[in-house]
Amino acid sequence: AQKITQTQPGMFVQEKEAVTLDCTYDTSDQSYGLFWYKQPSSGEMIFLIYQGSYDEQNATEGRYSLNFQKARKSANLVISASQLGDSAMYFCAMTPTLNDYKLSFGAGTTVTVRA
Amino acid sequence: NAGVTQTPKFRVLKTGQSMTLLCAQDMNHEYMYWYRQDPGMGLRLIHYSVGEGTTAKGEVPDGYNVSRLKKQNFLLGLESAAPSQTSVYFCASSLQQSRRLAEETQYFGPGTRLLVL
Repeated sequence: AQKITQTQPGMFVQEKEAVTLDCTYDTSDQSYGLFWYKQPSSGEMIFLIYQGSYDEQNATEGRYSLNFQKARKSANLVISASQLGDSAMYFCAMTPTLNDYKLSFGAGTTVTVRA
Repeated sequence: NAGVTQTPKFRVLKTGQSMTLLCAQDMNHEYMYWYRQDPGMGLRLIHYSVGEGTTAKGEVPDGYNVSRLKKQNFLLGLESAAPSQTSVYFCASSLQQSRRLAEETQYFGPGTRLLVL
């Protein structure tokens, strides 16, 4: 079974600065999918970005980018130019194989953006 | 387009009572999921469905049952609620058209807060 580890329970970042959220995973599969979700205080889960293990390029979506290092089994999320609205809980998740659709989640990292 | 909706938003139960949580999606998605979220933990998959009339167990299925009689609805039932089932429950759905199933994004409902006393 795969395991997702997010070692930073909480982080503070100054507005307009970048922040990196760590995510490491443990899997014996060669092909898998990695996701990041955002959960604001209102509670909903918002999809941010996806990275396939077979993708050579790191995924980017607007101010979000994924620093994918397959050999190190890490998939860190980088949020550039932080905004107050970025304050939320962030979850890293993965699907264990490319033919599996069931997500496993990490415990999450709380980000607080300071003005 | 409402996306994924969940009913109710909040419920308090006494130990031993039963209830059903309703999830509805209007995106014509094939796959639907039920997760629970507990403090300090990520979401954990309870049950899922890959199509109308089909259901399967996830990581933490004990104490729950599900049904998918219509494609757009996925019901989660608690037959005899226990305090350990106090949690936030999320429903999600995904289209699953890609040949690579893992690429499909799951879209989540707003969640249901359940308190079992």
